[in-house]
Parts: sequence; C-alpha cells; structure tokens
Amino acid sequence: DQQVKQNSPSLSVQEGRISILNCDYTNSMFDYFLWYKKYPAEGPTFLISISSIKDKNEDGRFTVFLNKSAKHLSLHIVPSQPGDSAVYFCAASWEGGGADGLTFGKGTHLIIQP
Amino acid sequence: EAGVTQSPTHLIKTRGQQATLRCSPISGHTSVYWYQQALGLGLQFLLWYDEGEERNRGNFPPRFSGRQFPNYSSELNVNALELEDSALYLCARKGQEAKNIQYFGAGTRLSVL
Repeated sequence: DQQVKQNSPSLSVQEGRISILNCDYTNSMFDYFLWYKKYPAEGPTFLISISSIKDKNEDGRFTVFLNKSAKHLSLHIVPSQPGDSAVYFCAASWEGGGADGLTFGKGTHLIIQP
Repeated sequence: EAGVTQSPTHLIKTRGQQATLRCSPISGHTSVYWYQQALGLGLQFLLWYDEGEERNRGNFPPRFSGRQFPNYSSELNVNALELEDSALYLCARKGQEAKNIQYFGAGTRLSVL
C-alpha cells in the first residue's frame, strides 16, 4: 500500500519555464512534507519542506504548495535551470515521525531541456 | 553538507554471503536511519537507531539487522544475501533545525550476484 504517490515517473521542461512536480498522499496522519532532489550516484539532498499548518512555503526558485483537503502537494521550480535535471522525491512524516522514518514516493525524473 | 559518511561506496557479494555497510553521522548527532532504494522504487525505511538502541524497524525480514556504536556510528548487516537485496542503501541523520528533516549520505551500492 503506497502512502505517498508520485504518478509521473518523468517530466520534461524547457529551460527557463516552470517545472511542476506533483505528489499525493493517503495517510491523513501525515503533517510534515518534504522534497528531496537526487543526482545519480549521490544521496538525496533536502530541498524544501512544509508543515500541515501552512499551505505554501517558498525558498528562492522553489515553492511547495499543500492542499490538505485533496491530500496533494506540488513543487514549483521557477525558472527551471539545467542543473535542476534530477530525480525528485516527495516524502512525508508526522509529528511523532522519528519512529517510522520518512515515507517516500517513487520519484519523478525531471529533465530540463535547453 | 549532509554530514553523513557511508562506506564502502560499492560492495559486490554473491548470493548467500553477508554484507556489512557502515555509516557515521557528524559529531553531536545520535540518531541514524537506514533506507533501501531498490531499482525503480522510492526509499524504503529499514531501521532507526538512537542513543545506541534500535528504536524501530521497517517491514524487512530479520536477516536485515544492525547496531549503533558508542560514538553513534552504525553498521547495517544483511545476512543470507538474495539477488533482490541489490540496491542503494542510504543512511541519514536528523536535522537540528527541524527533527523531521533528514540529511543523507551518498549511499552504498550493494550488488548481489
């Protein structure tokens, strides 16, 4: 039973345009959400997170939106740059979440085209 | 900077052997998480160690085990290796600014032949 779903295995976006990566979750106990970026042969790098008490969090070119009623979150990257080409993982946890680790989606491979 | 060191980078074993993977968080961090990333899948939570004790484990068989040493470094042991154990094994530490953020090492690529 997949509790965090990223339904797009890959996404291709032109350089300079907006990249939108989507993530859905099923467990209503989740109250903290994270996005990680991963290059081949490297570990995941933390990008941005959002608590369930907010619906938006922004950090430079990266913005995460949370829609609790739809159990959906999205990561917007504006403008997209070649170095953004990587696999992006959505992850979720809850306040007592230290015990269970993070729950990850399967990832979306973002390809930025010149 | 992740502040997590993993070794070895690559490990090749044959079916039935045992594998030992190592992880060291930077000083001052007592929690270590282990994850498995099999091909085409997301990261799956394996084990959590804190203050030298195993605090929780994910849905993996008992042949996946480990320990945490007094200096908070950790070992993951996989016994009786099977072909499907071939994966990237990642270790993470908790963030200080927010306990739900985890920072990952570069991982160990285990190949079982």
